[in-house]
Amino acid sequence: EDQVTQSPEALRLQEGESSSLNCSYTVSGLRGLFWYRQDPGKGPEFLFTLYSAGEEKEKERLKATLTKKESFLHITAPKPEDSATYLCAVHVHNDYKLSFGAGTTVTVRA
Amino acid sequence: EAGVAQSPRYKIIEKRQSVAFWCNPISGHATLYWYQQILGQGPKLLIQFQNNGVVDDSQLPKDRFSAERLKGVDSTLKIQPAKLEDSAVYLCASSLGGRADTQYFGPGTRLTVL
Repeated sequence: EDQVTQSPEALRLQEGESSSLNCSYTVSGLRGLFWYRQDPGKGPEFLFTLYSAGEEKEKERLKATLTKKESFLHITAPKPEDSATYLCAVHVHNDYKLSFGAGTTVTVRA
Repeated sequence: EAGVAQSPRYKIIEKRQSVAFWCNPISGHATLYWYQQILGQGPKLLIQFQNNGVVDDSQLPKDRFSAERLKGVDSTLKIQPAKLEDSAVYLCASSLGGRADTQYFGPGTRLTVL
């Protein structure tokens, strides 16, 4: 069975304190790995898609990387507005659904 | 470009009552998804439509949940009768095509079953 595990469950950061979130996956035939941001009371907002090991993508203070077993979301010099739950999801060959991890809730204090 | 629209945003019902949620996807998106997100968990797919047809409903509790997508656009998800464990956020998402396409989510409907 495909599995997606995110760690840590929660992360408290001081403004400007860089850190990384982990998404490890056990799937047969990865087709794509997705990162979403979810604010309280809102639906997930798309951030990145990664398709192959070694791929990296950046958006403002966020950078996502992918290996054959895991993905990292690096947050550089975070600001309070980066506070949210970050969800990782995988899409595998011969399947339609996204399988999500439980998310990492990031809180950035000013 | 307008995003995925959902209504209502909140609903409170008693157990054994019925409830329906509505979703309007992004214009031109052929694929529509309904997810259930229980507090503290990631979204779980309930059903996926490609135009009018059902592609995957393997995780839909068919004894109480039903969904339809008329004319390949709007969709309705119904629960009848509701149970306490159905309390969750119901998310609708849409994508241009099928597999591995980016899915864009609506704001969700928060259901509380008392």
